Amino acid sequence: AQKITQTQPGMFVQEKEAVTLDCTYDTSDQSYGLFWYKQPSSGEMIFLIYQGSYDEQNATEGRYSLNFQKARKSANLVISASQLGDSAMYFCAMRDQTGANNLFFGTGTRLTVIP
Amino acid sequence: DVKVTQSSRYLVKRTGEKVFLECVQDMDHENMFWYRQDPGLGLRLIYFSYDVKMKEKGDIPEGYSVSREKKERFSLILESASTNQTSMYLCASSFPDRGQTEAFFGQGTRLTVV
Repeated sequence: AQKITQTQPGMFVQEKEAVTLDCTYDTSDQSYGLFWYKQPSSGEMIFLIYQGSYDEQNATEGRYSLNFQKARKSANLVISASQLGDSAMYFCAMRDQTGANNLFFGTGTRLTVIP
Repeated sequence: DVKVTQSSRYLVKRTGEKVFLECVQDMDHENMFWYRQDPGLGLRLIYFSYDVKMKEKGDIPEGYSVSREKKERFSLILESASTNQTSMYLCASSFPDRGQTEAFFGQGTRLTVV
């Protein structure tokens, strides 16, 4: 069974600083994908970044990067130069690439950016 | 612009009522999902469908059923609503996984059962 763990219920960061949101996962599959989503107070889920289990380089998308450490089964999201609009819930998710392709989510981290 | 549309943003239903939550996607996705979101619990998968008329139970299927008669539409059914089903319900869709195939979400339905 897959499991995603986000141990930080809430995080605070000063505007313009970088912040790391933790995510660890547990799977026996060799092939899987890792995702991060942002959920602002309006409720929509916004896809941020993807990392495949066979990707050798860490994924980057603008100010978002994914610190992928396969041996430690961690996929931390790094947000650089935080902005007030980054205040939101952030969810880590994992999909296996076999079988049913289910997408499993962690419990989320609420990030608050302080002016 | 890709779209997943849920039929209602807010719903209030009485205990014991049969409740239908509808979800439509216009991206020709094979996979569709229903999640419920509760504070501190994240998103939990209720049901998943990978094709028309096909469904798989997720982590918390009890008290729910689903229907997928057409590729674009995936319905969540609460046969007899109970107060512990008060929650935010999120529908999502995606292509079958072939690498980076993110799921796209609807705007959510906040259901209150009184």
